[in-house]
Order: sequence, then C-alpha cells, then structure tokens
Amino acid sequence: EAQVTQNPRYLITVTGKKLTVTCSQNMNHEYMSWYRQDPGLGLRQIYYSMNVEVTDKGDVPEGYKVSRKEKRNFPLILESPSPNQTSLYFCASIRTGTLPSSYGYTFGSGTRLTVV
Amino acid sequence: AQKITQTQPGMFVQEKEAVTLDCTYDTSDQSYGLFWYKQPSSGEMIFLIYQGSYDEQNATEGRYSLNFQKARKSANLVISASQLGDSAMYFCAMREGSYGNQFYFGTGTSLTVIP
Repeated sequence: EAQVTQNPRYLITVTGKKLTVTCSQNMNHEYMSWYRQDPGLGLRQIYYSMNVEVTDKGDVPEGYKVSRKEKRNFPLILESPSPNQTSLYFCASIRTGTLPSSYGYTFGSGTRLTVV
Repeated sequence: AQKITQTQPGMFVQEKEAVTLDCTYDTSDQSYGLFWYKQPSSGEMIFLIYQGSYDEQNATEGRYSLNFQKARKSANLVISASQLGDSAMYFCAMREGSYGNQFYFGTGTSLTVIP
C-alpha cells in the first residue's frame, strides 16, 4: 500500500529535550515536506526536500532541522523543543512533474506534539 | 497576498442539505491544480477532489463537486446531502510551480452537520 508512515502519533516531552519525528514513504517520491498545523493558521510549511541531500526552509523553519540521506526518509528534528512548538505535525510527499497534475500530497497520519 | 483564501472559519448545515465551502486562489501560472482535503477529528488528511486549471468540466466525486470559476479564481466545494460524518475541517489547496512542488493551503473551514 502506498503510504507515508509517520511516528510517533502522540508525543509529550519537556522543554529542551531533543526529539525526532520520523517519516518514511514507499512511493519513490522526490519531494517531501513537513508542515505544522495550528488552529486558525492552517498548514504552514516547515522544511521541504526536492530530493536526496536537497533541503530548504519553508515558512516557519526556526527551531527545526531536517535531513534527507535517503529518498524514502525525511526526519524532523527538534534540537531543543519549546512550548510554542506544541502543534500537530504532518509529513507529506508528492511526485513532482508537469502541471496540471491530479497528484496531490500523500500525508502521514500526523504527530500531536506537546512540549511542557 | 494569500495564495489560498477560505473566508468561512465555521459553517453549519442541516443533515441532508447541501453546503458550499468557499475558496479563492491567487496565481499567475497557467498550469495549476486545486485540491480539497477533509480532516476529521481524528486528525488525518483525506483527499476529496481535484480540479486542473485546464479542465473545462467541474470535478465531481460522489457527493462532492467543485464549482470552478477560473475567471473569478474560485474553487468552491459543494457537498450534497450532508451526513453527520461530514463534520470535519476542510482545506482548500493549490499546487503550482515549475516542478509542481509549490503547494499552498488555506486556513480551513470547520463544518458541523446538525441532525
């Protein structure tokens, strides 16, 4: 089954304790992205990756790191989490190519992160 | 300027009635795609419907249809015969860019279906 696997689903952590949210896709998609979702703000892009070893900042990258060592994996790293990073996080992947295309994002199940 | 605008933070609809969720977009590209996603309370993002910029017919998927008005840059979602399970957050999104890698989301509309 084509999917994006994101773990964990729920995470409660303390301020300053480094954490990693994993993301893996099995569709050989070039493009992967991380979003955070907050009430009234919709989905905001944190980081994205066009391909292996190619990453770039989205709209809200502060406090986050990513890496893309393999095509299928795109982990999100919070080196020193703070309470304002409490949010719902989504990993998503998409096949790039000529538009218009009916291919939209395939999303992971989401990670609800609480930083206390 | 916002790429995707959803002006209805919350909507209510009576069960079995139809409802329209508004979405306007901003792009200067000729080729783009418009998407609607549903997010139930469980949190996952579910793809509902797609409209391509060159499609002349409005997209339909079961009870969902997309009212595409290109000149007005609007892509409203119409849900017919609402069901209680339609209660969710709905996001409009647009895909554009040379590699199709620019994806923009609206802030969402929370729909509540009343029995």
